[in-house]
Formats: sequence, C-alpha cells, structure tokens
Amino acid sequence: QVQLVESGGGVVQPGMSLRLSCAASGFRQHSYAMFWVRQAPGKGLEWLAAISYYGVNDRYADSVKGRFTISGDNSQNALFLQMNSLRPEDTGIYYCARGQSIAAGFDYWGQGTLVTVSS
Amino acid sequence: DIQMTQSPSSLSVSIGDRVTISCRASQGIKNDVSWHQLKPGKAPKRLIYAASSLQSGVPSRFSGSGFGTEFTLTISSLQPEDFATYYCLQHSSYPYTFGQGTKLEIK
Repeated sequence: QVQLVESGGGVVQPGMSLRLSCAASGFRQHSYAMFWVRQAPGKGLEWLAAISYYGVNDRYADSVKGRFTISGDNSQNALFLQMNSLRPEDTGIYYCARGQSIAAGFDYWGQGTLVTVSS
Repeated sequence: DIQMTQSPSSLSVSIGDRVTISCRASQGIKNDVSWHQLKPGKAPKRLIYAASSLQSGVPSRFSGSGFGTEFTLTISSLQPEDFATYYCLQHSSYPYTFGQGTKLEIK
C-alpha cells in the first residue's frame, strides 16, 4: 500500500530555513519521480519542484528556484525539500506526491505539513 | 507557461445531482490532464488520469473526457462523500499547472 507522510513543518521567521521530509512506504522512492506541491491559505494548488527517479533530473517553479532544493535519500526511502530564505508568501500546506515519471503527473499524495512564515 | 482555466469556481449541489466541471488549457496538451479531489485534513486523491482513465478504486460515477484544450470531469450522481474541492492538473510541460479549483457545496 503506497503511503506518503510529510513532516518538518512549523513556524519560522522570514529569512530562515526549514527542511521538510516525506517518508515513503509501499514502494521504493528512488524508482519513481517525486514532487512537492503547496497550497497557500485560501488559495489553490501550486506545483513547486520535481525530481526524477534516481535523482537524475530536477525541476523548480520560478517562485522557489534558487531558494528550495528537492532531494531524495534511498537509504531512508524519503524525499526532502530544503527551503531557504523563506518569505511570508511561502506559508501554506506542503504536500509530497509520487509520479510514474517526471513527465507523468502525480498518482499518490501525502496528507501535507503546514509551514507558517511569520515574524 | 500553460494556463488551466477551470470553471465554475464553486457549485451548490444536492445529493443525486449530475455535476460537470470544466478545464480549458491555453494551448494543446493532448490528454496530459488529471483530476484530483481535495478534502481538508486528508491526502488529496487522484480520480482521473490521461484525461479519461479512472484511477483504480475510484467509484465509476466519476468520469473524465477531453483532448487538446477542453477537458471535463463529470460526477454522474453526487454522493455525500463527494463534497470536496476538485482540481485539474496539466503535466504536458513544466511548470505543471493546476486549475483554480471547484468547490462543491451542499445546496
């Protein structure tokens, strides 16, 4: 059974960093493409980052390029999102998702973790 | 970037109603569209992939159609558990983009 569980959210001040984790079970994370998506309060969904299987390629939305880094750890079967130079507009629920490939969209999602950037 | 224009943004509906939600892409994207259901506090769920293929385990009252620029999600007979927000997603090219969402509310 495919399961994705995000963790690492919390309240941080603008300019600070945070690292989100996504624990995968029921499949080997490195054999699939993985993604991060967020939903700001009262807003719709925004795709943020993608990493191909075995971490060969990655892609980023312009809104986070240069500040966020997506990565995977095969030994932990986990996905990460390193978020630096956080801004108030980065506040939202962050979801990880799985895809059959980096060009195939998402088939399973996690429940999300809340990040609040506020002074 | 490819824009996905979704309509309506909200819909007041009753149990048993037939519901249709539309997404229009700003350029042709073949059938690279999926539909996702969001409920507060729960993991989002993919309902439809490749525009018209039903995700395993999803009730058959959900269906999708379309190709190119026009796409539709249909719920044939709304059930209580279907009150949620629905999003289309295009994965034809990066950046992936979502429609604005359609929230189904009880009439």
